[in-house]
Order: sequence, then structure tokens, then C-alpha cells
Amino acid sequence: QKEVEQDPGPLSVPEGAIVSLNCTYSNSAFQYFMWYRQYSRKGPELLMYTYSSGNKEDGRFTAQVDKSSKYISLFIRDSQPSDSATYLCAMIPSGGSYIPTFGRGTSLIVHP
Amino acid sequence: NAGVTQTPKFQVLKTGQSMTLQCAQDMNHNSMYWYRQDPGMGLRLIYYSASEGTTDKGEVPNGYNVSRLNKREFSLRLESAAPSQTSVYFCASSVDGVADTQYFGPGTRLTVL
Repeated sequence: QKEVEQDPGPLSVPEGAIVSLNCTYSNSAFQYFMWYRQYSRKGPELLMYTYSSGNKEDGRFTAQVDKSSKYISLFIRDSQPSDSATYLCAMIPSGGSYIPTFGRGTSLIVHP
Repeated sequence: NAGVTQTPKFQVLKTGQSMTLQCAQDMNHNSMYWYRQDPGMGLRLIYYSASEGTTDKGEVPNGYNVSRLNKREFSLRLESAAPSQTSVYFCASSVDGVADTQYFGPGTRLTVL
């Protein structure tokens, strides 16, 4: 079992829908949680970052961490076709080398 | 400010050929990384370098070598390419000890026939 599990999708939603993307993990030492967005044939770019538990909001995006359940989520409100991309979660344990462990990515398609 | 640059963008090799993938960053980052991305496998770390002059193996180092030429540049070498090394390769860099500063290059698409 991988340390970080993420459903690859694809997840197909209509424009304007609320999207929920999720990852589960097994390493209780993870303290830093990131979401990256990767457009087709491009490199990943950091979208959201959360330290420890709680919520963080940035425009239409909300990142949520539930350490008790070892579960993180990314919510996208009012989804747009331009949100169509692969979303990768990544996590870093406390201490150590700050090297992230990535999920496999979820492919999101927002159709007009 | 170009961020992280990679060359070449595309490459086709025959089995047994060698090549070097180049990566450079202009953000004065200490840490640099090489990943490969395969369908359904996510990003897997090949090698990383925490500072100039140091390199360490990641999850999938076999068949690869790296050189941290200076603070800006980190190269990945395939000495004898194999079809299993067909992949998209990403270079990344980050600030030491800061979780939300990893920046990726545009990638190199490598096909080994």
C-alpha cells in the first residue's frame, strides 16, 4: 500500500459544479500538505498549502486537512473548464528532508 | 526570472544509447530534484540534491546518475537507456526547510525504443 492514496479518476463534472478531490495517507508524521495542479503536458504548480490540521481558503479553492482521519480534501467552487487538469496531493513529514510524497493524481474534466 | 528550465523538451533514444538531461534554476534554491512521471504512477523521486556537492538516491535511482554542477544546475544521466526508462522527467527546486516552495520545470518527454 502506498503511503498516499489518491483516486486517479477521471472525474467529469459540469461547469459550475462543486468539486471535491481527496487523498488518504498512512504516515501519521505528515505535517505539511500541498495540492498541485498540472495541466496537460506541463509541470505541476503549487496550488494550495496547509500546515497541520484545518482549512485554508483561496478564492474558489478550499483545502481541508483532517489528521485524525488521515484525510485531506481540495474543494473547487463554481468550477470552470479552465480547472480541467490533474490535481496531485503531496505531503511532507515533520523533521527530515522536506521531500514531498506525492499521490498519483486525479484527472478532473469540467465540461461546459 | 525563468524559474526552472529543462533541456531538451523531447528526446527519442535507442536502447543502449546514453544521454544527459539538463536542469537549471535561477531562484537561488539550495535543493534540487529529479522525478519521473508515468501513467498511473504519479511522481517518483529519482535523485535529489540538498546542496551543491551533495546528492542522494530517491525511490527509483537504478539506471540513472546525477551531477550537481553548481548551485544552479542539476543534470540527470542515462548511461545505457532501456525501454523501461520511457517517461516524462521533471526537475524541481525548493528552498531548504520550507515546504511550500517546490517549483517544477516544464518536463522532458523521453522515449526509448
